[in-house]
Amino acid sequence: GAVVSQHPSRVICKSGTSVKIECRSLDFQATTMFWYRQFPKQSLMLMATSNEGSKATYEQGVEKDKFLINHASLTLSTLTVTSAHPEDSSFYICSARKTGLNEKLFFGSGTQLSVL
Amino acid sequence: GDSVTQMEGPVTLSEEAFLTINCTYTATGYPSLFWYVQYPGEGLQLLLKATKADDKGSNKGFEATYRKETTSFHLEKGSVQVSDSAVYFCALSDKKGYSTLTFGKGTMLLVSP
Repeated sequence: GAVVSQHPSRVICKSGTSVKIECRSLDFQATTMFWYRQFPKQSLMLMATSNEGSKATYEQGVEKDKFLINHASLTLSTLTVTSAHPEDSSFYICSARKTGLNEKLFFGSGTQLSVL
Repeated sequence: GDSVTQMEGPVTLSEEAFLTINCTYTATGYPSLFWYVQYPGEGLQLLLKATKADDKGSNKGFEATYRKETTSFHLEKGSVQVSDSAVYFCALSDKKGYSTLTFGKGTMLLVSP
């Protein structure tokens, strides 16, 4: 079946640094990818929709300058958390939409970000 | 706005026990309903779905029926296995194309031999 690879699975960084998370669709092309954030014991919250070749669409309340999204190819979207702070510590998950007769959404395994 | 409420976990069962994970929702219109499963170290996978009232989604022995009158989509399995241990997410989408998936908080299921 289709696979989405998300890297890294875990990252620890110092406050003020930037962290890049990659999301790759391994065996299909994805014009649309999604980025979610999950706090402990909370729901996955959609942060933004990443569109290949165009600007990402951010959900209300998500800072686009803080969470930079780049979808430069049909198989790769990146989320960069800029100038990270401890409150950015969270679990980030991406998903990629496979279009066709049976549209499906495939998820990455997530990235646990800890900002010290 | 849309919301999904599912029972808090962890749910701890012995192998071959009956499983129910409750899920209720609030949405405008007629959403599609989903159950996703996340095994340790893996991404979320679609387990089953139902797109209209009274539809029953089923997969791998799991079932859930779209109940419009009670706005529920409870997940059931008659006999769980250790390999079913995972986190289960109930979700809804009120628009085509997945871009508006609303998730519940997830329920961890732990099955012991």
